[in-house]
Amino acid sequence: EPEVTQTPSHQVTQMGQEVILRCVPISNHLYFYWYRQILGQKVEFLVSFYNNEISEKSEIFDDQFSVERPDGSNFTLKIRSTKLEDSAMYFCASSLSGGEWDTQYFGPGTRLTVL
Amino acid sequence: DAKTTQPPSMDCAEGRAANLPCNHSTISGNEYVYWYRQIHSQGPQYIIHGLKNNETNEMASLIITEDRKSSTLILPHATLRDTAVYYCIVRVEAAGNKLTFGGGTRVLVKP
Repeated sequence: EPEVTQTPSHQVTQMGQEVILRCVPISNHLYFYWYRQILGQKVEFLVSFYNNEISEKSEIFDDQFSVERPDGSNFTLKIRSTKLEDSAMYFCASSLSGGEWDTQYFGPGTRLTVL
Repeated sequence: DAKTTQPPSMDCAEGRAANLPCNHSTISGNEYVYWYRQIHSQGPQYIIHGLKNNETNEMASLIITEDRKSSTLILPHATLRDTAVYYCIVRVEAAGNKLTFGGGTRVLVKP
């Protein structure tokens, strides 16, 4: 069964450093998403991406964040200058379409630890 | 998204059916009810979704009341591996294509 994959599973970085989290969405999907979950808190939407453009973003997704689909398979989330409060699980998801009738499938997540 | 209300936790006996309730009294016509679960800190796992009719798949059944103001997720024979946080989410067209997760129901399946 096709699945969303994410690398690395765990990333440790120093405050102020740039990190890139990588995702390989399900191959025929067209919509891509990033969510995050701070330890003990709810899963929060960050951004959705379609046709090489951001289609929606949350207040969390400020200028420090960017997303890119550098090739036909990868979808990346970059944090330019990490802060302690960026420590969280980051989940990538994908869906075939963006409609509310269509299912988003999540990857296993990347645990980001900022020291 | 339309607000959903779920009990914060519930226990279930292994091998028994687990019935997880969800209230979504402000749901409107074209809004779908989705259920996901999250085991430990793993990625949310899709379970099932529906609009008006009851739905069943290999994981669970979804019963939606006729007025659509509430629904129940049924795990027919709970196993220890079903211990997880279960999220009921109503997707609102006007809210774009994001999922809004609440606190969910923490289900503990006991031997």
